Amino acid sequence: DTEVTQTPKHLVMGMTNKKSLKCEQHMGHRAMYWYKQKAKKPPELMFVYSYEKLSINESVPSRFSPECPNSSLLNLHLHALQPEDSALYLCASSLLANSQGSGNTIYFGEGSWLTVV
Amino acid sequence: AQSVTQLDSHVSVSEGTPVLLRCNYSSSYSPSLFWYVQHPNKGLQLLLKYTSAATLVKGINGFEAEFKKSETSFHLTKPSAHMSDAAEYFCVVSDLGNTPLVFGKGTRLSVIA
Repeated sequence: DTEVTQTPKHLVMGMTNKKSLKCEQHMGHRAMYWYKQKAKKPPELMFVYSYEKLSINESVPSRFSPECPNSSLLNLHLHALQPEDSALYLCASSLLANSQGSGNTIYFGEGSWLTVV
Repeated sequence: AQSVTQLDSHVSVSEGTPVLLRCNYSSSYSPSLFWYVQHPNKGLQLLLKYTSAATLVKGINGFEAEFKKSETSFHLTKPSAHMSDAAEYFCVVSDLGNTPLVFGKGTRLSVIA
């Protein structure tokens, strides 16, 4: 079973709201990722968690706050977003964050469509 | 440093004809290479991956890709296109070490009835 589950599928929020995106996997993967994808563009990496610790933050604004409560769950807390943050947010996981020698495959969820109004 | 170039932003084929989506890569090490497909309003689905075993890799839905080190290419092919193949396709490279995936810009495949 190669499934990454994301909720909600769609979210509309105002610029003063606080909301969260949630992601879950039960594949025993120890690396989890958040990507942001704008229309007609490839996904852009935001954060990488390895063994529940933040290992990569691609200079993401602080209005995005990731959290990894345990090895199966990944959250993205949203606060004071801007309209330009509207995008598809993809969660992904892989066995390990280090791709050395293993062809470490990353599995993606269906994404959460975020609209900031 | 690693990079990926998808040579066509848009490919249009007739149903039942062959599909060729081109990808060239640059990598300092022996790379792992992937093709992902994204149907409209969906997440990314893994089609196939190359990890230094057989150079001809078979994936899902009749797709396959051949790793050619001398040409630094990893082109995706399918003998006969189906309407359901219409989607965005991403070629992706993963290098050794703790580096994230590098995505190509994507190729949009249209299939004409």
